[in-house]
Amino acid sequence: EAQVTQNPRYLITVTGKKLTVTCSQNMNHEYMSWYRQDPGLGLRQIYYSMNVEVTDKGDVPEGYKVSRKEKRNFPLILESPSPNQTSLYFCASSYSGSPYNEQFFGPGTRLTVL
Amino acid sequence: GENVEQHPSTLSVQEGDSAVIKCTYSDSASNYFPWYKQELGKRPQLIIDIRSNVGEKKDQRIAVTLNKTAKHFSLHITETQPEDSAVYFCAANAGGTSYGKLTFGQGTILTVHP
Repeated sequence: EAQVTQNPRYLITVTGKKLTVTCSQNMNHEYMSWYRQDPGLGLRQIYYSMNVEVTDKGDVPEGYKVSRKEKRNFPLILESPSPNQTSLYFCASSYSGSPYNEQFFGPGTRLTVL
Repeated sequence: GENVEQHPSTLSVQEGDSAVIKCTYSDSASNYFPWYKQELGKRPQLIIDIRSNVGEKKDQRIAVTLNKTAKHFSLHITETQPEDSAVYFCAANAGGTSYGKLTFGQGTILTVHP
């Protein structure tokens, strides 16, 4: 089944404890992206990747890191999480090395930072 | 950077009526404008998109119009049904070499009353 998976789906952590949210797609997609969703603010792009080893900042990259060592994986790293990073996070992928095609979203990861 | 404003934030209609959601963008070099629908507790899904070389696009009950001069685009849903109830997001990509960057509007909560 073609899909985007994220793990974990739910996470409660404390300020300053490094964490990684994994994202994997099995569709051989070139483009991958991370978003956070907050009430009243909609979806905001954190980082995106046009292909392996190519990453770039979205609108809200501060406090996050990403890497794209393999085509299928695009992990999101929070080196020192803070309460303002409490949010619902979505990973997405699309076929080409651009967003000009449908983005397929993962199921979301709900993160709470205490 | 790109700024996308979406209105209204909430929209309530009777079944069978039409619904219109409007978005404005700031980057004149933007050339891709997707619309996503997110049902309660679900992930966003693309419903329609338009590129800057097209003024209007239709898909059954859904249409999108683009006015590049005024830098605004709109989603039109005709003959609304209760299953159209969801949050709708517009988005625009950045121009130039950052064309992979997507900025979303704040979202519109559409409620269709039977």
